[in-house]
Amino acid sequence: ILNVEQSPQSLHVQEGDSTNFTCSFPSSNFYALHWYRWETAKSPEALFVMTLNGDEKKKGRISATLNTKEGYSYLYIKGSQPEDSATYLCAFSGSARQLTFGSGTQLTVLP
Amino acid sequence: DAGVIQSPRHEVTEMGQEVTLRCKPISGHDYLFWYRQTMMRGLELLIYFNNNVPIDDSGMPEDRFSAKMPNASFSTLKIQPSEPRDSAVYFCASTLDTSGSTDTQYFGPGTRLTVL
Repeated sequence: ILNVEQSPQSLHVQEGDSTNFTCSFPSSNFYALHWYRWETAKSPEALFVMTLNGDEKKKGRISATLNTKEGYSYLYIKGSQPEDSATYLCAFSGSARQLTFGSGTQLTVLP
Repeated sequence: DAGVIQSPRHEVTEMGQEVTLRCKPISGHDYLFWYRQTMMRGLELLIYFNNNVPIDDSGMPEDRFSAKMPNASFSTLKIQPSEPRDSAVYFCASTLDTSGSTDTQYFGPGTRLTVL
């Protein structure tokens, strides 16, 4: 059973604050690490796919880094806005096709 | 593209009844996945297909669950008989095999199932 863990489980920040959260995953048989954004009553939406150790991806105010040797990825949000409120999921992809998801970090940005 | 389509969006049924959930993947995608999301277990993979063939069904909880993909544009997940503990949101996702295990999966809107 693959262990993909995310922390914190939930997070409240003020509008304008920057924040980050963590995904840890197995460092063996690594193919890719995916980040998804999941708004309430909607479906998960892909943010990033990262494959190489040291990868950094950026999309607007959201960025992510990857360390495959130690098995972790960070997601950063700069200048959080209320519309960033969502659950952020990471998913590990090994040699098989399926994704193993973490339990997510639920972010609430207070106006 | 319309994205992954699931129906129904909401289903309320009584214990013991048969439930059928439907999914239409994105046209041209050759992988289709069924997930279940619950508070206790998060998002867990039930089964996935490649070119309409089931590849891994180890996540299917028990014999009451079955899934089929008769063609490239349609899949069903059936629960018979349904039980209250099956209440969850069921997601379908699809992807196109372009770069191996890095492929992004595209999710449908989900079916919220409530078994009374």
